[in-house]
Amino acid sequence: NAGVTQTPKFRILKIGQSMTLQCTQDMNHNYMYWYRQDPGMGLKLIYYSVGAGITDKGEVPNGYNVSRSTTEDFPLRLELAAPSQTSVYFCASSYTRTATNEKLFFGSGTQLSVL
Amino acid sequence: QQQVKQSPQSLIVQKGGISIINCAYENTAFDYFPWYQQFPGKGPALLIAIRPDVSEKKEGRFTISFNKSAKQFSLHIMDSQPGDSATYFCAARNNNNAGNMLTFGGGTRLMVKP
Repeated sequence: NAGVTQTPKFRILKIGQSMTLQCTQDMNHNYMYWYRQDPGMGLKLIYYSVGAGITDKGEVPNGYNVSRSTTEDFPLRLELAAPSQTSVYFCASSYTRTATNEKLFFGSGTQLSVL
Repeated sequence: QQQVKQSPQSLIVQKGGISIINCAYENTAFDYFPWYQQFPGKGPALLIAIRPDVSEKKEGRFTISFNKSAKQFSLHIMDSQPGDSATYFCAARNNNNAGNMLTFGGGTRLMVKP
């Protein structure tokens, strides 16, 4: 299994441009998440999904959109990039919320700079 | 508003020493407390986790101590090694969540000197 795969690894955007960060997992996980990581701030949840066709906002959703048309894929869309969106983005997935399967599996991240 | 506060932000320890990272939380609805380890250029990976019904959990050189009344928990790394140099995140899960998402602390960058 490849686990959680994110593309691209690096990207530079100009202010106002749009892009999609891709995320796919091959573990048949129902739950998927997008986090952003800023220095000293930990990871902040942007959006999450508990299954195909179901998405919900996290702590910092403004400026982002997501979709979940399949179990495997959970792309994150930035419509009008702003410098405040310069960050490292992590996609993660997990099994359903049970007592024994609580581990989040993270991708290797996308480093995004908006200039 | 940071619901999980982590300290210190950075830590330097000599090889063989004990590394201690502390976290505090406010929300009594948190029911699961994992620690994640992140190496440069990689995503975080689960290191060890604890539930609030136990006060300590040990896995090899890594131990979580949990104080429910004080709403604090800490990670102890015994016999710290240069290979332990990484960023460590504490986290907590709200048992009222529909999903399995975590609230993370701000992270601690650990450097173990040879």
